[in-house]
Amino acid sequence: GENVEQHPSTLSVQEGDSAVIKCTYSDSASNYFPWYKQELGKGPQLIIDIRSNVGEKKDQRIAVTLNKTAKHFSLHITETQPEDSAVYFCAASMKRAGGTSYGKLTFGQGTILTVHP
Amino acid sequence: GAGVSQSPSNKVTEKGKDVELRCDPISGHTALYWYRQSLGQGLEFLIYFQGNSAPDKSGLPSDRFSAERTGGSVSTLTIQRTQQEDSAVYLCASSRKGLAGAETQYFGPGTRLLVL
Repeated sequence: GENVEQHPSTLSVQEGDSAVIKCTYSDSASNYFPWYKQELGKGPQLIIDIRSNVGEKKDQRIAVTLNKTAKHFSLHITETQPEDSAVYFCAASMKRAGGTSYGKLTFGQGTILTVHP
Repeated sequence: GAGVSQSPSNKVTEKGKDVELRCDPISGHTALYWYRQSLGQGLEFLIYFQGNSAPDKSGLPSDRFSAERTGGSVSTLTIQRTQQEDSAVYLCASSRKGLAGAETQYFGPGTRLLVL
């Protein structure tokens, strides 16, 4: 089955700096890659996602890049703010056999991001 | 609109007892997922329901775990004869079939289960 590795496990930056979190996946059939932000005591919240037919996607201060050949994808947060502090998870998924729906997500182990004022 | 809701938010039980966890998905979402998050760990897939199709149970860790989805909406995850290693946050997510084929999964707040 799919295996997703995420690095680093913890990341500490100063406010205004950029933060980069990297993930690798093992199954070349994976074609959907979301990123989730989880704050303490809450469920994960989707912040950005990318499909395998594009190499980069950007939404304001957040961007994701995908390298299908190397099977890795990265989250980039620019101009970090203290409210960006949270746990970030990457995930990978693929189409279910015989259907058009994406099924289970395989998650990375998470990155604890701390942004210091 | 209302998001995914889960109940109870917290559950403390004794080893060997059975527990039921409930998930109310977003109205109109055809897919429902259960995941487990152990302390300091990532999310582990348990089971996936999609419409009237047979569920994908490949992530259930043992036969003590089961789940059902009634009427294509509410789901219940049941853990029989709970063990201390079952202590975790159980998260439910739902999604609808997107036009582009990708389904964004929206998560509930989770149920924190503690087995003493």
